[in-house]
Amino acid sequence: SAVISQKPSRDICQRGTSLTIQCQVDSQVTMMFWYRQQPGQSLTLIATANQGSEATYESGFVIDKFPISRPNLTFSTLTVSNMSPEDSSIYLCSVGGLRAEAFFGQGTRLTVV
Amino acid sequence: QKEVEQNSGPLSVPEGAIASLNCTYSDRGSQSFFWYRQYSGKSPELIMSIYSNGDKEDGRFTAQLNKASQYVSLLIRDSQPSDSATYLCAVKGGRTSYDKVIFGPGTSLSVIP
Repeated sequence: SAVISQKPSRDICQRGTSLTIQCQVDSQVTMMFWYRQQPGQSLTLIATANQGSEATYESGFVIDKFPISRPNLTFSTLTVSNMSPEDSSIYLCSVGGLRAEAFFGQGTRLTVV
Repeated sequence: QKEVEQNSGPLSVPEGAIASLNCTYSDRGSQSFFWYRQYSGKSPELIMSIYSNGDKEDGRFTAQLNKASQYVSLLIRDSQPSDSATYLCAVKGGRTSYDKVIFGPGTSLSVIP
């Protein structure tokens, strides 16, 4: 399985500001996925990031709020823009395995105050 | 909308007992099925994957898949306190790393010493 490193692991941010989360994978992968896990909830897919093209966003998520970059096959960033307390969540980066499994980074715990 | 449902928790079992976790899914064309374990404050960890009807055993874990009934289950034998966690059922439409994973709401398991 791939080794996925996410930074930062946690942050406390003021409302109205933005935070960029980085995801680094130790091998080249075509697709990277960004998930959100709100307190006490399951994982919700935000978007799929394919290198060389625009990210594909799920219903309820928009690029202006969650811009994503995918500059190469091992790296992606997710920005949470103009944050409000409702954005307080764990954000997870994921890549697929050889047998379609999903593997996750350690997550970024975001608190917006 | 594709959905994944899990039996509501929390589920409490005594140490040494069998824990049974259930999951149903709405997309009849789903091809890949996974169980993840998530400890509080941690990211999900893959514990089982299953792709064909029947049972798949790995140590104390057995996954069961019935595509006709659109049903997946996870049995944990000889439950240990360290098994106390939230278990997430996940379903994928295909068998490649390109496909999205849809997660269920999770079932919280508590193993009582």
